[in-house]
Order: sequence, then C-alpha cells, then structure tokens
Amino acid sequence: GDSVTQMEGPVTLSEEAFLTINCTYTATGYPSLFWYVQYPGEGLQLLLKATKADDKGSNKGFEATYRKETTSFHLEKGSVQVSDSAVYFCALRGGGAQKLVFGQGTRLTINP
Amino acid sequence: GAVVSQHPSRVICKSGTSVKIECRSLDFQATTMFWYRQFPKQSLMLMATSNEGSKATYEQGVEKDKFLINHASLTLSTLTVTSAHPEDSSFYICSAPDTITDTQYFGPGTRLTVL
Repeated sequence: GDSVTQMEGPVTLSEEAFLTINCTYTATGYPSLFWYVQYPGEGLQLLLKATKADDKGSNKGFEATYRKETTSFHLEKGSVQVSDSAVYFCALRGGGAQKLVFGQGTRLTINP
Repeated sequence: GAVVSQHPSRVICKSGTSVKIECRSLDFQATTMFWYRQFPKQSLMLMATSNEGSKATYEQGVEKDKFLINHASLTLSTLTVTSAHPEDSSFYICSAPDTITDTQYFGPGTRLTVL
C-alpha cells in the first residue's frame, strides 16, 4: 500500500539556519503530496502542497518540490525562526482518494 | 478560512464508561470526515472514514463496536469510545475535506484520558 517515510527527529537548529526535512513516498499512480505542521497545543495545518510532478509548493518561506524520479518531497527553508518550532508531517493522497497517509512526523526545535 | 471544531478538547473518564467526541465543519459541508488517533511522539493513525448517510469504513485492526461513528449531518460526525479502558487514552483528531478548495482541514484534537 501507499506509504510515507520522513527523516526521524528530533531536529534542533539555531535561528537563521537552513532547514531540510526529507520525505520519500511509495504510491501507485500519481498522488498529491502535502506538508502539514502542528504547532504546540494546536491541530494540524496545511503548510503547502503539490499535486503533480515538478510542482513546487511554497508558503511562509517553506518550499517543497514534487520529484517523481526520486519519489521525494523534501521540505526546505532558507532561514528558520524560533516560531517555526513545531512537528512537521509529510503526507500523500492517492489518486481518486480523499484519505491521507502520513509520515511519522519530525519534531523541529529552533533555538534563539 | 475553513474551520473544523472538536468537542470536548479534553476529557477524563473512568474505565468502563463511554465517551462521545464531536467533530464539526463550521463553514463547509463534508460528506466524508476522517478520524485519527495520535500516540505520543508518533504519527496519525487513520481509524475510520465517516460517511454521511451510510456506515463508516474502518481501517484494519480498528474495532467497530469499540469506536462507534455516526455522521449525522453534512457538518457533524461523532466518535463514541465505548466501554473505555486505559489503553484507549490517546489524542483523537478528526478532519474534513473541503472539496471546493481541495483542502483537508483538521480539528484541534481531543485528549482522552481513561482512569
């Protein structure tokens, strides 16, 4: 079945550092790919998405490119802030389906 | 933007009692809603798909009689944990897809503690 694997955390960085959180997937067909963020004490929020190969999703300085050849959707940000501290989830939605398959989540902590 | 609410946000109950959790889509209609369970420091595990006007679809390994789901209207789904036990303690999250914006919105979650 469909699955998502993301880099294990926790990840701790200093403010203004470069961030990469790796995400790879296994799916039949052509899934849509998502990054969700869960801030402390809050529900999941959609951060960005890409629906087809080579699409780049971006939001709040975060970017991820749908790479079909490497089945990857790595999350990047050039300069992180303390307020980016959260748990980040990579997810996919198979073609024609509505339910999401999530990766295990990566806890990110940014120190001032 | 679209909002999904859950009630209650926290509940503590005694072993053997039943607990109902509500999930509402506040400004869009959802014929389908999803119920997840999140263990500490782990990912979300899909429990079931709630379908308005028909039976819920449960994922493998999830007990239908334990976790009763009712999708009463296009904006409300409920999850009832029956005869709760301490191992049912967890964080339960619902989500609803807005088909117009093609975005899935998540509720803030319900922390269930069974004593």
